[in-house]
Amino acid sequence: EDKVVQSPLSLVVHEGDTVTLNCSYEVTNFRSLLWYKQEKKAPTFLFMLTSSGIEKKSGRLSSILDKKELSSILNITATQTGDSAIYLCAGTYSGGGADGLTFGKGTHLIIQP
Amino acid sequence: DSGVTQTPKHLITATGQRVTLRCSPRSGDLSVYWYQQSLDQGLQFLIQYYNGEERAKGNILERFSAQQFPDLHSELNLSSLELGDSALYFCASSVDHGQGVRNTIYFGEGSWLTVV
Repeated sequence: EDKVVQSPLSLVVHEGDTVTLNCSYEVTNFRSLLWYKQEKKAPTFLFMLTSSGIEKKSGRLSSILDKKELSSILNITATQTGDSAIYLCAGTYSGGGADGLTFGKGTHLIIQP
Repeated sequence: DSGVTQTPKHLITATGQRVTLRCSPRSGDLSVYWYQQSLDQGLQFLIQYYNGEERAKGNILERFSAQQFPDLHSELNLSSLELGDSALYFCASSVDHGQGVRNTIYFGEGSWLTVV
């Protein structure tokens, strides 16, 4: 059974700190790994990672995939209170012509002023 | 705004009842996905449709069913509702079903279902 595990489940840090969120996956016919940020409702897309070792960056957020270790990390530097959210990672797979996503349970990140 | 529209935003109903959740995908997207999110289970994939046809099934109960119509909107039908069905139901869409193409999916705002 496909599985995506995120750690830590929750994290409280102070504004300005740097955080690293972890995601490990066991996904048959793995295609890519996606990161989402969920604040109040809909998860919003952050990154899609398909190649190992290539960092994707967007402002203070960056992410990288390690296919050998079946894992990914999401880094947030100089955190701000607006970064408080649940961060979800999902493994995508392909099989039988259909793609689906298997989500982890998320990391609940709280940034204290 | 992701471009994925879901209705209703909130719904309260009694056990044993049946509800229908509606989703309009982003313009041009052919794939629609349904997810259930509860506090203890996280985001659970229910079912995927591509251009009107069912493509993949996840943890969808037999009491639940879905379809995608020719205009590509989709409906998720939940019947014989139980208290445990209370959750946030998300619809998401993507431009394709992913064969050989990168597949980013975009989520709607969700439909909050409360079963009392």
